[in-house]
Amino acid sequence: AQRVTQPEKLLSVFKGAPVELKCNYSYSGSPELFWYVQYSRQRLQLLLRHISRESIKGFTADLNKGETSFHLKKPFAQEEDSAMYYCALSDSAGNKLTFGGGTRVLVKP
Amino acid sequence: EAGVTQFPSHSVIEKGQTVTLRCDPISGHDNLYWYRRVMGKEIKFLLHFVKESKQDESGMPNNRFLAERTGGTYSTLKVQPAELEDSGVYFCASSLRDARDTQYFGPGTRLTVL
Repeated sequence: AQRVTQPEKLLSVFKGAPVELKCNYSYSGSPELFWYVQYSRQRLQLLLRHISRESIKGFTADLNKGETSFHLKKPFAQEEDSAMYYCALSDSAGNKLTFGGGTRVLVKP
Repeated sequence: EAGVTQFPSHSVIEKGQTVTLRCDPISGHDNLYWYRRVMGKEIKFLLHFVKESKQDESGMPNNRFLAERTGGTYSTLKVQPAELEDSGVYFCASSLRDARDTQYFGPGTRLTVL
């Protein structure tokens, strides 16, 4: 069975400080990992996916298969980054996303 | 381009009643998913349609839940009879390819069972 763990429920940082959201997964096959974000009063939307290796809104995430991790990082947090962030995994069958419990990020001025 | 829409946005019903949720995916998206988030818990997969066929319904909690996608367009999720533990937010998402593709989420339906 696949599982995604986000150990931090809440991360509070000051504007301009680095932020790192942890995500660990368990899956026996070759997973595809995603970060989805939900800003206040908006719907859940894709932030980035490991396969595209892009930086979106200054965020990056590296898939570490040895540590089964997909941590999300941003060197300088902005107030507009305050949101709920979900790490998610899709199995090789592509039938569903398995979500972590989510991490609420609060960026203080 | 219109995004995924869901109706209603909120529903408050009494235990034992029936509720039907509707989801309209993005036009042209063959893949449609239902998820739900029960208070304090993570978002959990319910089922996946490819066109009108149920590809994976392993997440459906029990036989009180019935999902349909007649004609391969919009989908409905009926809960009958509703129980207190069914309260939560029900999300619909659609994608062009399968779940390894970007999923576009609807705003969700908040269901409260009293």
